[in-house]
Amino acid sequence: EDKVVQSPLSLVVHEGDTVTLNCSYEVTNFRSLLWYKQEKKAPTFLFMLTSSGIEKKSGRLSSILDKKELSSILNITATQTGDSAIYLCAVDNNDMRFGAGTRLTVKP
Amino acid sequence: AAGVIQSPRHLIKEKRETATLKCYPIPRHDTVYWYQQGPGQDPQFLISFYEKMQSDKGSIPDRFSAQQFSDYHSELNMSSLELGDSALYFCASSLVEESTEAFFGQGTRLTVV
Repeated sequence: EDKVVQSPLSLVVHEGDTVTLNCSYEVTNFRSLLWYKQEKKAPTFLFMLTSSGIEKKSGRLSSILDKKELSSILNITATQTGDSAIYLCAVDNNDMRFGAGTRLTVKP
Repeated sequence: AAGVIQSPRHLIKEKRETATLKCYPIPRHDTVYWYQQGPGQDPQFLISFYEKMQSDKGSIPDRFSAQQFSDYHSELNMSSLELGDSALYFCASSLVEESTEAFFGQGTRLTVV
């Protein structure tokens, strides 16, 4: 059965900390892995990863895919309170399969 | 537990035809979001509804329309289909007041030939 697992489920840090969110998957016909940020509005697309080992970066956020390990990480450096959100990982294998998300809380 | 249900899962249409995609949110959820992801492209937010009213609009073409019904399910209507409309369309639902978490469906893969 296809599955996408995120860890941790919940994370509380202080401003300035660096966090690493994990996403592992077991799916057939992998096409790509996507990261989203979910606040009280439409989930915002962050990254799409298709190739192993190539880091994608946007400001303080970066992500990389490891197809050998069937996993991806999302790094956030110098966290800010505005980074507080649920971060969702999804795998496209002709369907779109989402993980349960990691709820990140950044305290001042 | 019930999840977000999308139907159909796969759809093949010819150019200039119309298509209707449906999204059934998790029970009690009052908000639905629609996304489009073309082959090899980043997902694009299309539109969202809260309590049966459009709440946010993204890059939804004029040929597309959507609505949310009294039972909170949503339909995305696509007319005059073009080859470029071939994509994975997925929706998410959430309960705005109680949670920031959105739950996604598995998507409808539309192929226009």
